[in-house]
Order: sequence, then C-alpha cells, then structure tokens
Amino acid sequence: GQQLNQSPQSMFIQEGEDVSMNCTSSSIFNTWLWYKQDPGEGPVLLIALYKAGELTSNGRLTAQFGITRKDSFLNISASIPSDVGIYFCAGRLVNNAGNMLTFGGGTRLMVKP
Amino acid sequence: ETGVTQSPTHLIKTRGQQVTLRCSSQSGHNTVSWYQQALGQGPQFIFQYYREEENGRGNFPPRFSGLQFPNYSSELNVNALELDDSALYLCASSPSPETGSLNTFGSGTRLTVV
Repeated sequence: GQQLNQSPQSMFIQEGEDVSMNCTSSSIFNTWLWYKQDPGEGPVLLIALYKAGELTSNGRLTAQFGITRKDSFLNISASIPSDVGIYFCAGRLVNNAGNMLTFGGGTRLMVKP
Repeated sequence: ETGVTQSPTHLIKTRGQQVTLRCSSQSGHNTVSWYQQALGQGPQFIFQYYREEENGRGNFPPRFSGLQFPNYSSELNVNALELDDSALYLCASSPSPETGSLNTFGSGTRLTVV
C-alpha cells in the first residue's frame, strides 16, 4: 500500500490563484520527485529534489525537500487552465535500491477560468 | 529521440487468462521499470530490469513476471488474471538502475479484466 500521504486529494481553484500541496511519510526518503499526469498519459517529471532542505523552482512551480526527509511540498503560483491534471509526489526510500519509487495518492487540480 | 512506447494501448481479458504487455525504452536508456496504477491511485512499483535480469521487485506475486531483451525493450507478463489486475500499466525507462529520478514514463496500457 501507499507509504506517502498526499494532500489535499483534490482542489478546485480560480485561475490566477496560488496552489499548495504536500506529502508526508513516516519513512525517510533520499529523493523526492513531483510529477504531473494528464488523462491517458504517463506521469511527467516536474521537479526533482535530492538533498534535505533543498528548495527548487521550475517556472511557476516551487518544491522543497523537508529537513526531516519525511515530507515535501509543491507550490504553483498564478495558476492557469493548463495546470489542470493530477499531481503526484514520489520518493525513493533510503532502504530501497535501484529505481523503486513510492508514489502518493495524487492531488487532482481543477482550475476555473 | 523517441520516448517510451507501450503496446497495446488498451486490452480486455477474461479472468484466468494470461497477458503480455510490451515496452520499448527511450533511446540511450538501459533500465526498465514497470508500475501498476489502479484507478484513482498512484502508481505502484512492480519490478525493474537491468542487463536482462530483474534487479528489484515490489510487493507483487510471482504471477507477475517480466523479460528484458538485448535492445533494452521489455515485456510484462501476468498469469492467472484476477479482476483486481484491472489497471493502467506504466513502463518507465532510465539511463541506469540508480537514476530513478530520470525515469521517462510511457503512456501506459489500460488492462481490463472481466
């Protein structure tokens, strides 16, 4: 089952508003990733975080790797209609080898023009 | 540069049957991972293949098996299909077995078991 608790499960916002979503876990991760998935497509990587405390931006997106290594957040500023989709956090647990990623349950974002 | 391609895109099978899903990795990528994504949930790691061998597995029973070929493409086989196997199956390729953050995902195969 899921080891990452992602919240909120869904958000319905007005275009131009800022958005924040987060993931928490009881386990320690050494990598945090944020993906966006559109209908009928696979997840696409938005931001990758590799060090505790790291804060990284990608355009209007900003994400941080929590200092405890058990949490991460993603912020989207000035949302636009094309931001609609499902956002997933994912991480690589400290004790997992290889490319095994653990995913959160997703945040469904809906933007009203 | 071609991305990850999966086939077929959709498939309907009967409970108890066997199914094979296929994946071609992105150019330059030698590692392939498979994920199962049930409706409304995040993907769950099934296993990873590198150098034609399984080198990491999630919590899935042995009836989920795979292959990797010399050209790095891969197959996912599921025997004795159950209704709960209905899901989107995602393939991801990466440049090495330790660079999961560089995974490129395919669009998936939607499997429905009836």
